[in-house]
Amino acid sequence: IQMTQSPSTLSASVGDRVTITCRANENINNWLAWYQQKPGKAPNLLIYKASSLQSGVPSRFSGSGSGTQFTLTISSLQPDDLATYYCQEYSSYFRTFGQGTRVGIK
Amino acid sequence: QLQLQESGPGLVKPSETLSLTCTVSGADISSRAYYWAWIRQSPGRGLEWIGSIYDDAGNTYYIPSLRGRVTISVDMSKNQFSLRLRSVTAADTAVYYCARHEGLLDPCDFWGQGTLVTVSS
Repeated sequence: IQMTQSPSTLSASVGDRVTITCRANENINNWLAWYQQKPGKAPNLLIYKASSLQSGVPSRFSGSGSGTQFTLTISSLQPDDLATYYCQEYSSYFRTFGQGTRVGIK
Repeated sequence: QLQLQESGPGLVKPSETLSLTCTVSGADISSRAYYWAWIRQSPGRGLEWIGSIYDDAGNTYYIPSLRGRVTISVDMSKNQFSLRLRSVTAADTAVYYCARHEGLLDPCDFWGQGTLVTVSS
């Protein structure tokens, strides 16, 4: 399974709504997770089963989609959200990650 | 509080075996409540799932491309699990993370801090 994220990088202002897309090349139902990774740190789980918010994650993060197309939305970008975001399918033994989207603050 | 800590050599020679251990504190591996996983990350390959283990009865799952070179094992007496990757090349240079996932179809909800392994002579 191949996972393709877009865009690769984006820059937005504090308070902006930010959307990241992840596409799978075959149906993965809703077996999709989103992670946030800050420099020098391990990935941190944000969203599982495409739209379920992991405990402790701010409610400005949300996920949607099913099948082959998925979206991560940050409703109001904060300075602490500077990071790289990855999607991951976990419907197969490959558990493939997307290539990442680097989010910067204008 | 759950903690996962990777340990092992930071430098491995080509063709040799990479060996890493993840020490788990704050959770009991023998409770069989979680799967314990290895993931690696490199600039060229991004994040790559390696595999995971459930118990010491052979319930291990590996990414097909590494099957044959990789072994994940668990030592319940030490509350540790380990990764062995044979016949390494420069392409195996990466930050290696250990992590846990609750079910076979669950994402990793807790990760170690990662350890850099460089393959070089």
